[in-house]
Amino acid sequence: EAGVAQSPRYKIIEKRQSVAFWCNPISGHATLYWYQQILGQGPKLLIQFQNNGVVDDSQLPKDRFSAERLKGVDSTLKIQPAKLEDSAVYLCASSLVGELFFGSGTQLSVL
Amino acid sequence: GESVGLHLPTLSVQEGDNSIINCAYSNSASDYFIWYKQESGKGPQFIIDIRSNMDKRQGQRVTVLLNKTVKHLSLQIAATQPGDSAVYFCAENILSGTYKYIFGTGTRLKVLA
Repeated sequence: EAGVAQSPRYKIIEKRQSVAFWCNPISGHATLYWYQQILGQGPKLLIQFQNNGVVDDSQLPKDRFSAERLKGVDSTLKIQPAKLEDSAVYLCASSLVGELFFGSGTQLSVL
Repeated sequence: GESVGLHLPTLSVQEGDNSIINCAYSNSASDYFIWYKQESGKGPQFIIDIRSNMDKRQGQRVTVLLNKTVKHLSLQIAATQPGDSAVYFCAENILSGTYKYIFGTGTRLKVLA
């Protein structure tokens, strides 16, 4: 069974630039999550989708972050404009029920 | 606010010894807990889970204990190996039926040869 795929693996941008991350969940997994993991901290939930609908985006900074999950499969997370404090690993996870399966993440550095 | 925390940020253990990693949670309504292992440059990997109607669950070399009275979770790793070196997170499902997880800060386990 293929795992959760994420791209790009690394991204370096300057502040105020835009960036987008892509996630392809495990086939058949209805729930998709985006987490932000700052160095030395645990993952923090940004947004949770159930199929193509948003279940929870209470911690998503909506003035600069946006996410979509078209057709209930792939998802993209966008930051526009980026700030220095957005430097982190962005993890995508999917689940059928219960256990989360994580991708390897995208490491973002904002200079 | 609600949080999941860990008592020790770094734990150093001799190879072959047993490891115990602790986690405190504050949401008494949480019904499901997961331990994850995260190696450098990788996403978290599932180790073991436990539901709130259980006190103990065993896997291969790992045991999770849940004490709901004091809101405490622990992960025991038997015969710790170098490959166990990683950061370990506990995750708490805070909203029954929706699988909304919050993660603790993590404990780094260092296995000494």
